[in-house]
Parts: sequence; structure tokens; C-alpha cells
Amino acid sequence: NAGVTQTPKFQVLKTGQSMTLQCAQDMNHNSMYWYRQDPGMGLRLIYYSASEGTTDKGEVPNGYNVSRLNKREFSLRLESAAPSQTSVYFCASSVTSRQETQYFGPGTRLLVL
Amino acid sequence: SQQGEEDPQALSIQEGENATMNCSYKTSINNLQWYRQNSGRGLVHLILIRSNEREKHSGRLRVTLDTSKKSSSLLITASRAADTASYFCATAPREGGGNKLTFGTGTQLKVEL
Repeated sequence: NAGVTQTPKFQVLKTGQSMTLQCAQDMNHNSMYWYRQDPGMGLRLIYYSASEGTTDKGEVPNGYNVSRLNKREFSLRLESAAPSQTSVYFCASSVTSRQETQYFGPGTRLLVL
Repeated sequence: SQQGEEDPQALSIQEGENATMNCSYKTSINNLQWYRQNSGRGLVHLILIRSNEREKHSGRLRVTLDTSKKSSSLLITASRAADTASYFCATAPREGGGNKLTFGTGTQLKVEL
């Protein structure tokens, strides 16, 4: 099992460009999450999907959109990137949405110039 | 908002010593989890302790939870260089919050040979 995979690993964008971060899990988990990690801030939840077909906002959703494409895949889109979105982005999954253990991907490092 | 706050922010010890890090939180919780993050990697789940538990062990890890003080501690015994990482606590709220975990800002542990 690969667990949670994320693509790309690194990305540099110019302000105003758009991009989609991809996440996939092969553990048959129902719930998936997107976080961003900034120095000194810990992880902050952007969006989550409790189950296929549902998505909900987290703590810092502004500037982002998500799509739960199917049970395996959960993508995060930046429509018009801003320097404030420079961060490391982590995708995670859990069996259900009952506040259980989450399994994390390796992260995507994004730099917006 | 940050629910969990770890203390200390950074800790440096010699191999073989014990490492203790603390987490304080603000609201009532359903469970509290500890995660480890090696440099440049995703988070890895270490241990989960529920609100009705006071102590839990897993290998060289010992976690305590004091809900009256809204605090938890993680003890790593007989530390090894491979334990060098950042450690995060994450809380699952009792009331509302759904499946959302809130992460603290982390403790950076360095174990020197």
C-alpha cells in the first residue's frame, strides 16, 4: 500500500496563476483532509471531506476550492495564487469522520512569487 | 485558532535520556492525539488517548492526560537519535467540531549522540 500520495512535491507559481494539488489514498478511507503548515503556526485545516460527495470548510478556506473526485481522490485548487499561500500543504485521510487517527501524505511545498 | 499549545518549543537532550513535552488545550475534548514529523516529511500518528483515560503506553512512549487541567504530556524514554523530530498534539473537540482535529504548534526535539 502506498498510503496517501500527493503530487506535485514542489511547485513555484507566480501571483495570479492557478494550480491543482492532487491527493490520493489507497486505504479505502472515507474521510479526507487538506491542511497547510506555516512556520510557528502548526497545521491548519483548509477543507475536509467526511465522505465521498461531501466537502466542508475548515479554519482557513479562503482562496481555495476542493473536489472529492471519488473515494480515493481529493484535490485542492488555488484559482489565483497569492504570496500568502506560500506554504507546505498536507493531505490526510481517516477511516471515518469520527475524530480518529489521520494518515498524512508527504506534503507539497508551494512557493508563490 | 490554536487549541493545543506545546511546551517547550524546542528541546535538546543526549541519547539515552528521557524527553518530556507538554500540551495544553482550551476546550473540552473527545480525545487527544500525538503525532511526529520528521524534517521535510508528513505527520505520523503516535498515540491516541481518550478523555476517559489518564495514561497510555506504546513502546517507549507514555502519554498522560489530565482533563481537569486541560493538559497532556508525552514522555519518550531512552531516547535515540532517530527520535529527532517535531512532535505535535492534536485535539478532537467534544462539542461540535465534527471530525476536525486542531493541531498545536509543536515541540522540536533534538537527540544528540
